[in-house]
Amino acid sequence: DTEVTQTPKHLVMGMTNKKSLKCEQHMGHRAMYWYKQKAKKPPELMFVYSYEKLSINESVPSRFSPECPNSSLLNLHLHALQPEDSALYLCASSSAGTREQYFGPGTRLTVT
Amino acid sequence: KQEVTQIPAALSVPEGENLVLNCSFTDSAIYNLQWFRQDPGKGLTSLLLIQSSQREQTSGRLNASLDKSSGRSTLYIAASQPGDSATYLCAATDAGNMLTFGGGTRLMVKP
Repeated sequence: DTEVTQTPKHLVMGMTNKKSLKCEQHMGHRAMYWYKQKAKKPPELMFVYSYEKLSINESVPSRFSPECPNSSLLNLHLHALQPEDSALYLCASSSAGTREQYFGPGTRLTVT
Repeated sequence: KQEVTQIPAALSVPEGENLVLNCSFTDSAIYNLQWFRQDPGKGLTSLLLIQSSQREQTSGRLNASLDKSSGRSTLYIAASQPGDSATYLCAATDAGNMLTFGGGTRLMVKP
């Protein structure tokens, strides 16, 4: 099973809302990632978790708050977002050996 | 800082053509190089992974090569089909597990 799942597929939220994105993998990978992708651009790294600990934060605004409850789950908590935060949010995981990254289908976020 | 460039940015070809997508990177100290496919509004599908010690990988009609010394990788697609239409992204992994993506090549294969 090389699947990374993400929920929800689509999310529309107002600027005062609080919502969460969820990512799950059962490949035993110990590194998990959040990326943001705008239209016709490559993904931009936001956060990296290694063995459930945050190892990289690419200077992401505090309105994005990641959480890794266990080795299979990764959450991204959203609060007080701006319209420019509308994008496709991708989750990925990788093995310690090959470091091949597997991506989920993404959550399409629209901030109104 | 690693920089990855893909040429061409867009490509339109008739069905059946063999084609080559190019990827170049500035820092040869990579752990591996991955080629991905992305359909509009979808996630990334890993096509091929080339470890830094390897020269090429093949999967079906796809063949990817890696030349670390010159900082180049190519993705060769044989006998292209309309279903191959998508954006193709290459990405270099560094020792810290960080991926640096190229800008992508948008491929259109016309029937």
